[in-house]
Amino acid sequence: KQEVTQIPAALSVPEGENLVLNCSFTDSAIYNLQWFRQDPGKGLTSLLLIQSSQREQTSGRLNASLDKSSGRSTLYIAASQPGDSATYLCAVRRGFQKLVFGTGTRLLVSP
Amino acid sequence: ETGVTQTPRHLVMGMTNKKSLKCEQHLGHNAMYWYKQSAKKPLELMFVYNFKEQTENNSVPSRFSPECPNSSHLFLHLHTLQPEDSALYLCASSPRDAGVDQETQYFGPGTRLLVL
Repeated sequence: KQEVTQIPAALSVPEGENLVLNCSFTDSAIYNLQWFRQDPGKGLTSLLLIQSSQREQTSGRLNASLDKSSGRSTLYIAASQPGDSATYLCAVRRGFQKLVFGTGTRLLVSP
Repeated sequence: ETGVTQTPRHLVMGMTNKKSLKCEQHLGHNAMYWYKQSAKKPLELMFVYNFKEQTENNSVPSRFSPECPNSSHLFLHLHTLQPEDSALYLCASSPRDAGVDQETQYFGPGTRLLVL
C-alpha cells in the first residue's frame, strides 16, 4: 500500500528565507508526483507536477525535485514571502484517477 | 477560483439529521470526485464518477450516499452520521480524456462539516 509522508509537519520562518519541504513515498511505481497548496477556505491549488521520468520542475520561486528510486521529493521555495503561508501537500499518482496524498506541511512565513 | 464550487461552506448537523452537500463544476469535465480530509490525516478518496457513473467507492459507509445527475453536478447525501465523520469534504473534477500522466484534478473550496 502506497504511503506518503511529509516532513516537517509545521514550519515557521522569517520572510526572505529559502526553505525546503520534504515528501517521501513507499512505492516507487508512480506515474507522477504533484505538489499542491491549500489555503483555508480555498481548496487545493496545483503548484507543480513532475512526471516519473523527470527529475525536477520549476515555476517562479518554486522548484520541485523527484528521486523516484529513493522515494523522495523536495519542494524548494526561494526568498519566502508572507503570502507563501499555507499548507503544502504532496501527492503521488499510482494510477488513473488515483492520487495518494501526504498529511501536509503547514508553513508560516512571518514579516 | 478553480471553477469548482461547493455549498454549503460550513454545516453543523446532529446525528439524526439528513443533509446534502453540493458540488458544481464549470470546466466541462467528465469526472468528479469526493474526498474527505480529517484533522491530521491525508486526503482520502471516497467516490469517483465518470460520465455520471460511479466507478469507485473506496469502502465508504452507506451513511454517505453520492449522486451524480449530470457531469456538472455532484451531491453527497448524509444520513445518521457519527461525530468522527466531522471533516472537510472536498469535491474535485478532471477531464476524463486526459492521459494518466497528464490528468490534473481541480478542487473546490470544501464543506466544513461538524457532526454533534
